[in-house]
Amino acid sequence: QSVLTQPPSVSAAPGQKVTISCSGSSSNIENNYVSWHQQLPGTAPKLLIYDTNKRPSGISDRFSGSKSGTSATLGITGLQTGDEADYYCATWDSSLSVGVFGGGTKLTVL
Amino acid sequence: EVQLVESGGGLVQPGGSLRLSCAAAGFTFSSYWMHWVRQAPGKGLVWVSRIKTDGSTITYADSVKGRFTTSRDNGKNTLYLQMNSLRTEDTAVYYCARDNWGSPNSWGQGTLVTVSS
Repeated sequence: QSVLTQPPSVSAAPGQKVTISCSGSSSNIENNYVSWHQQLPGTAPKLLIYDTNKRPSGISDRFSGSKSGTSATLGITGLQTGDEADYYCATWDSSLSVGVFGGGTKLTVL
Repeated sequence: EVQLVESGGGLVQPGGSLRLSCAAAGFTFSSYWMHWVRQAPGKGLVWVSRIKTDGSTITYADSVKGRFTTSRDNGKNTLYLQMNSLRTEDTAVYYCARDNWGSPNSWGQGTLVTVSS
């Protein structure tokens, strides 16, 4: 049981937009930065979003991050088949003094 | 460019020990907190440990507390994970990651640890 809650799967057609939610609490998401990570099949995770809404150099502006209260959201526009992957949210839990991840969301581009 | 290269994984029997290493390059290693994160086969990412820049503060997930020890050698730009009393449920790919405000920021390629008799 993950501290952060994500939907197990989402799907959308190529070219469409999808959002992935990440629900937490005041001790983690609400008061800490959130990061998002993409894991393509058989590869290591890759940073997509840091500091809740910033993109590293080289990450497409099709990816965006936001936060409201105890929930964070990853948005992906202009879906491509190459976006099919598992997506994880992560942050720090200040009360538990541990890192926390969501359970992961599998994105299918139909 | 940030580079993190894990090594030391392999097959070990239940109750055994293993030490993982993570060689860092491309950034000032001594200025960053670092994480260990693991992923069991077919499962999600699970946070394991985080260590402060100078090694003075280390936190662990409850599942490994008392069995795993994280350390670092800033002179060698290397992060370590000493794993003792290994259990079958510790079987996973272990990743090291650079920290950014409590979250992983850059990832290594991972090293597989298999605990089996």
